[in-house]
Amino acid sequence: IAGITQAPTSQILAAGRRMTLRCTQDMRHNAMYWYRQDLGLGLRLIHYSNTAGTTGKGEVPDGYSVSRANTDDFPLTLASAVPSQTSVYFCASSVIAGASGYEQFFGPGTRLTVL
Amino acid sequence: AQSVTQLDSQVPVFEEAPVELRCNYSSSVSVYLFWYVQYPNQGLQLLLKYLSGSTLVKGINGFEAEFNKSQTSFHLRKPSVHISDTAEYFCAVSDLGNAGNMLTFGGGTRLMVKP
Repeated sequence: IAGITQAPTSQILAAGRRMTLRCTQDMRHNAMYWYRQDLGLGLRLIHYSNTAGTTGKGEVPDGYSVSRANTDDFPLTLASAVPSQTSVYFCASSVIAGASGYEQFFGPGTRLTVL
Repeated sequence: AQSVTQLDSQVPVFEEAPVELRCNYSSSVSVYLFWYVQYPNQGLQLLLKYLSGSTLVKGINGFEAEFNKSQTSFHLRKPSVHISDTAEYFCAVSDLGNAGNMLTFGGGTRLMVKP
């Protein structure tokens, strides 16, 4: 089944530890995104990538890094986790062709708790 | 910069009653508009989108939304809700100059349908 997979589904992490959230899509979309979802704040963009080999910062990038070595994978790394990074993380992908306005497809999310 | 405001954090409604979920946006340029739905413990899926043309947009599950440029609004409506419509609904905007197709989300509205 085509779509986006995320791993792990949930994780409890000690503060100060390093963590990588994985995201893989099989739709050959050129753009991928990472969001965090917090109650009352909706989804906020952390980082994005318009094509393999390029990345950009979103609204809340501090404390996070990403890489895009190929079209399918877009891992998100927390170098040293802090409690304020407790959130639900969603990966998404979309086509970019000329103008924007294409639907973003979302993964099932990773629930991260930092203690 | 653009922003999205969803005026109601929660909307309780009885089954088979009509519902309107409000969304207002601000942007200095023309925009594309989206409504996404999130069922419990799932990712987001697209309900409908406005790119251009008719200001009344029909989506899945009987939902529709109307783009009002003068009021910068994109309210979501359904004439008769079902228990299964209980979910979180997110309004999002992408501006036409945004080559990365990035979305700005509102804070979400939790629709609670009661029997």
